[in-house]
Order: sequence, then C-alpha cells, then structure tokens
Amino acid sequence: DTAVSQTPKYLVTQMGNDKSIKCEQNLGHDTMYWYKQDSKKFLKIMFSYNNKELIINETVPNRFSPKSPDKAHLNLHINSLELGDSAVYFCASRPHHSGQNTEAFFGQGTRLTVV
Amino acid sequence: GQQLNQSPQSMFIQEGEDVSMNCTSSSIFNTWLWYKQDPGEGPVLLIALYKAGELTSNGRLTAQFGITRKDSFLNISASIPSDVGIYFCAPYSGNTGKLIFGQGTTLQVKP
Repeated sequence: DTAVSQTPKYLVTQMGNDKSIKCEQNLGHDTMYWYKQDSKKFLKIMFSYNNKELIINETVPNRFSPKSPDKAHLNLHINSLELGDSAVYFCASRPHHSGQNTEAFFGQGTRLTVV
Repeated sequence: GQQLNQSPQSMFIQEGEDVSMNCTSSSIFNTWLWYKQDPGEGPVLLIALYKAGELTSNGRLTAQFGITRKDSFLNISASIPSDVGIYFCAPYSGNTGKLIFGQGTTLQVKP
C-alpha cells in the first residue's frame, strides 16, 4: 500500500490551461504539504495544511489554490498555467505534533510540463 | 530571513571512500532530518535527529544534530554505487510548522 500517492505522475499541458494534481495519504497524518522542485533540484515549500486548514502559504501566486476536502487529501489546482510552472510537484504528509516519529513522507511526484 | 546552507553542492568519489556533507542555518530547529532522492522518485527519509548533540547511525550512515541546534552533518562510510543520488538536509521548526530543505548534495560514485 502506497503511503502518499499523487496523480498523475506526468502532466503535459498548454499554457493558459487549468489543471489539478491530487494527493492522498493513508498514514492518518494531520499535516500535508505541497513542494515544488525546480530544474536545479531545489525543493521549495508551497503550502501546508493541518486538519484541512491552511497554515503555511509561501508567497505562491494566486493561480495556485490548494484544496483539502478531508485531512487525508490535499489537492493542488493551478489556473492559467505558465511556462515557469513547469517543475516536479511533491506532496508530503507528517504528524502534526513535534518530537519523535514526526518525519514527513513524500509522494513520488508529479512532473508538470507546460508547453 | 531564514538561511539554510548545504554543502558541498556535489561530490564525485571512488567506491569505498567516505563522504561527509553538512548543513548550517541562521535559525534554531527542533528536528533535523536527512533525505535521499533517487531519479524520478520522491525524497526518502534516511535519518531523523531530535535532540541537540544527538549522534545517530543507520548502517553506513551517521548523522549528528549540532549542539547549537543550527547545524547537522551526514557521513556515509565505504560508499557503494547505489549511494548515488541527491541528499537533502531538512530541518523542522515546531514554531512555524515548516519543513524546509537544503539545496541538496548530488553524490556520484565511481565503481
């Protein structure tokens, strides 16, 4: 059973389109994240949700809108896609509390290519 | 703002050699994690550190949580070809809820 699963794995789309990436975790974690990995492999945090509530929004353009229907899901919707949005997007989840056994687990990533 | 520096950026070593990489920050963290990312995959946890000064091993990997809580290092002993990948430090702040990542160290191992 996959702990954190993202779909789709690959997404090729034209500029100006709207697309969504889905993420689900079966670990019972309270906190979920979206990260963007650029061509230089830098992993930049975008959003964090805790129990369906937004707690971190790292100056991401308004075209990106996360949605958490329940604490096991955090989807990412992107409007009016631009060339610069091309990257690999990773979903992750972790328990909310601090201390032992609070590591984050990552999905396999969604490679988004905007043409 | 918060600064996190990971070095070296890349390493090309011979099989059997030991490797060391580190991260330093301008901020204090509660937890330091080390991840490895293989091509086409998501980061996978290698070692987790929860206390300042803690030294933890996982097979050939050893990591330490700096006493100032602002730094951490990861050592890999007797490297093998499957150690190839990108290694990231990832400190966590309980105050902000953020798990941030260093710039990564790309490791290549020559058989």
